Amino acid sequence: DAGVIQSPRHEVTEMGQEVTLRCKPISGHNSLFWYRQTMMRGLELLIYFNNNVPIDDSGMPEDRFSAKMPNASFSTLKIQPSEPRDSAVYFCASRENTGAFGYTFGSGTRLTVV
Amino acid sequence: GENVEQHPSTLSVQEGDSAVIKCTYSDSASNYFPWYKQELGKGPQLIIDIRSNVGEKKDQRIAVTLNKTAKHFSLHITETQPEDSAVYFCAASKGGDYKLSFGAGTTVTVRA
Repeated sequence: DAGVIQSPRHEVTEMGQEVTLRCKPISGHNSLFWYRQTMMRGLELLIYFNNNVPIDDSGMPEDRFSAKMPNASFSTLKIQPSEPRDSAVYFCASRENTGAFGYTFGSGTRLTVV
Repeated sequence: GENVEQHPSTLSVQEGDSAVIKCTYSDSASNYFPWYKQELGKGPQLIIDIRSNVGEKKDQRIAVTLNKTAKHFSLHITETQPEDSAVYFCAASKGGDYKLSFGAGTTVTVRA
């Protein structure tokens, strides 16, 4: 099992550019979560999907953020246009809904917007 | 929604001593309580969890206790080692389709 796979690991972009973060959840996991982590705000849940359907996007900070899950094995988080305050580590996590309830996190994408 | 509070925010212990992190939760319907360890540059990793039908669970040097009446749960690390230095997060959920609510994290430093 390769775990939750995120790409890229690091992204540096200029303010105003579009950024797309990618996530491949563990096969068979029904739920997928996008988190943002900063020193000031800790771990913030941005959005989560259940069976590819967005369930709760109340954590998405602004319309500049959007997320999709076109199929059970792939999700994207897009920021357009990016701003310096978006700089953070973005984590994707997946989970089975039955049996074990714990999340498995990916290694994260460190985003720097200059 | 669920609110999880975690204390202390930082903890420094001498190698070989014990470390205790405490969390409280607000929703009495919560029934699943995992703990995550995050090392520098990595994602949080599940280290132990407990369900509400169990009062205590142990795995080698780590243990978790749960007091449902008081709505608090704790992580105990015994015989701490330098590799235990990390940020630890507690969390709570009602299980199934419900999302986890995380505490703010505790930075544990084990002094050699």
